[in-house]
Amino acid sequence: DAGVTQSPTHLIKTRGQHVTLRCSPISGHKSVSWYQQVLGQGPQFIFQYYEKEERGRGNFPDRFSARQFPNYSSELNVNALLLGDSALYLCASSLRAGWTDTQYFGPGTRLTVL
Amino acid sequence: EDKVVQSPLSLVVHEGDTVTLNCSYEVTNFRSLLWYKQEKKAPTFLFMLTSSGIEKKSGRLSSILDKKELFSILNITATQTGDSAVYLCAVGGYQKVTFGTGTKLQVIP
Repeated sequence: DAGVTQSPTHLIKTRGQHVTLRCSPISGHKSVSWYQQVLGQGPQFIFQYYEKEERGRGNFPDRFSARQFPNYSSELNVNALLLGDSALYLCASSLRAGWTDTQYFGPGTRLTVL
Repeated sequence: EDKVVQSPLSLVVHEGDTVTLNCSYEVTNFRSLLWYKQEKKAPTFLFMLTSSGIEKKSGRLSSILDKKELFSILNITATQTGDSAVYLCAVGGYQKVTFGTGTKLQVIP
């Protein structure tokens, strides 16, 4: 079975632009979570979706939004990019919402904002 | 605000040594404590702990949770160079999860 996949692998944008990151969960997993990881720090939770509904949100500004599709894949959108948005964006999938199921992480998307 | 603190921040040991990594937390509505290993990009799951005093083991790795004192430890015995990684502790609460900054472990031959 394929693991969690993310696209693109790398992305370079300029300040003020918009970006869309994509995540496909493991087959059968209905929950997707998004994280931002800045170099030298642990991942920071952005969103969790389950069955197309938002089930959790971290402390990120409204420039960050996400959605989950009927096939359980997900998109993370970031508007009006800032230099500080440069980071590794990780997606993880699990069977259910919450953090009592094992989460499987994808390889991440490295976003650089110039 | 929820907080997860890991110590030490980094550690260098020789192959064969035993290491103990620490994780303390202040989280409302505790649900679970999770340990991950991150080598390059994707963290890989090690343990999930929900009950105090029950040790979880997987090979040379083990972990235990103390919900009264709000901490967990991750032990690695007979370390190998392949154990070199960043070890992340995370605490799942109500509708969110909080990660620590990680402990960077380097195992030298």
